[in-house]
Amino acid sequence: AQSVSQHNHHVILSEAASLELGCNYSYGGTVNLFWYVQYPGQHLQLLLKYFSGDPLVKGIKGFEAEFIKSKFSFNLRKPSVQWSDTAEYFCAVNTNAGKSTFGDGTTLTVKP
Amino acid sequence: DTGVSQDPRHKITKRGQNVTFRCDPISEHNRLYWYRQTLGQGPEFLTYFQNEAQLEKSRLLSDRFSAERPKGSFSTLEIQRTEQGDSAMYLCASRPLAGESYNEQFFGPGTRLTVL
Repeated sequence: AQSVSQHNHHVILSEAASLELGCNYSYGGTVNLFWYVQYPGQHLQLLLKYFSGDPLVKGIKGFEAEFIKSKFSFNLRKPSVQWSDTAEYFCAVNTNAGKSTFGDGTTLTVKP
Repeated sequence: DTGVSQDPRHKITKRGQNVTFRCDPISEHNRLYWYRQTLGQGPEFLTYFQNEAQLEKSRLLSDRFSAERPKGSFSTLEIQRTEQGDSAMYLCASRPLAGESYNEQFFGPGTRLTVL
């Protein structure tokens, strides 16, 4: 069975600080990896995804993530956060067959 | 708007009542998924369809829950004899079987259920 672990439940940063959110997954086969963002009162939006190829993927709003297969990790990064990045961030995996498995999310608060 | 739509967006009901939610996927997306999200947690898989066939059900889906996708287009999720523990956001997602985005699920806005 797949599982996803997000290590940080709540992260508080000041504007312009750098961000790294950890995500580790457990699955023995080929996986597709995703980061979603959920702004207060809004629905899930896709930030970025990794299927294959270059393990460093770039997404929207200046976010990027690196897939490290040997560590089963897919950490999300942003060099300089803004107040508008305040939101909840979810890491997810799925296989080619179907369902996604999500982590419990990380709440990011950016102080102006 | 060609995204996934869900109806209603909010539902308040009393314990013991039945509720039904609807999901309209992106047209031509063969696969349709239902998830449940409670406060402080990520979405949890409930069930999914490929066309009209229900291919997998989570053990979270008790016998009070039933989902259908009769014509392979929209889907309904019914909860009978609701309990307070059913209060959550119910999310629907769809996914194509081929093409550039075939590994990606597209999520709807969700239906927030509150059971009093």
